[in-house]
Amino acid sequence: QPVLTQSPSASASLGASVKLTCTLSSGHSSYAIAWHQQQPEKGPRYLMKINSDGTHSKGDGVPDRFSGSSSGAERYLTISSLQSEDEADYYCQTWGTNWVFGGGTKLTVL
Amino acid sequence: EVQLVESGGGLVQPGGSLRLSCAASGFSFNYYWMNWVRQAPGKGLMWVSRINNDGSSTTYADSVKGRFTISRDNAKNTLYLQMNSLRAEDTAVYYCAKVGDISSSGEFDYWGQGTLVTVSS
Repeated sequence: QPVLTQSPSASASLGASVKLTCTLSSGHSSYAIAWHQQQPEKGPRYLMKINSDGTHSKGDGVPDRFSGSSSGAERYLTISSLQSEDEADYYCQTWGTNWVFGGGTKLTVL
Repeated sequence: EVQLVESGGGLVQPGGSLRLSCAASGFSFNYYWMNWVRQAPGKGLMWVSRINNDGSSTTYADSVKGRFTISRDNAKNTLYLQMNSLRAEDTAVYYCAKVGDISSSGEFDYWGQGTLVTVSS
């Protein structure tokens, strides 16, 4: 079963860009992952799925400011033109026999 | 519009039982695997259980195996989680989540708003 590693926190200024990273454990670099956003006091929201080749598909209504990419065992979520409502926790997820979540990254918009 | 609405949470004593429900609408419920995910206060997301589209196959996280039972009623478009022998560490917001791909595993593409379960004496 893969393990997903995320940095606990990140910050960036309003209007800037930020790149969040999700790292798959050794031997699992071919796995696809999904990114989910959780704003304060809300349930999670699906953002996108990222395949190992970097192709990605977004969820309904996800703004173009959100994009995904991949390199080796790392999967990225890039948010451009940061807005205040992007301040949230971001979780990556993968699946095999069961489902696994990373520990989450708390994004602060300065 | 896809909607998942959980209900059934509340305060229960250690050792007690509770049944959660998740009412689904806006999609062909009987085609999709469904899951329960929980989030303890101030913590991250933890997958709890999944059921395949016709209810014939289920899997559980080790921490709930033997105590929780996932089920579904495709005629009522409803997912359930029966929770027995509850412990303080089961205290969490419980979310239901739909798998994105038809009749298979994959990412969760829709989530409910969650229902809070508190296990305390």
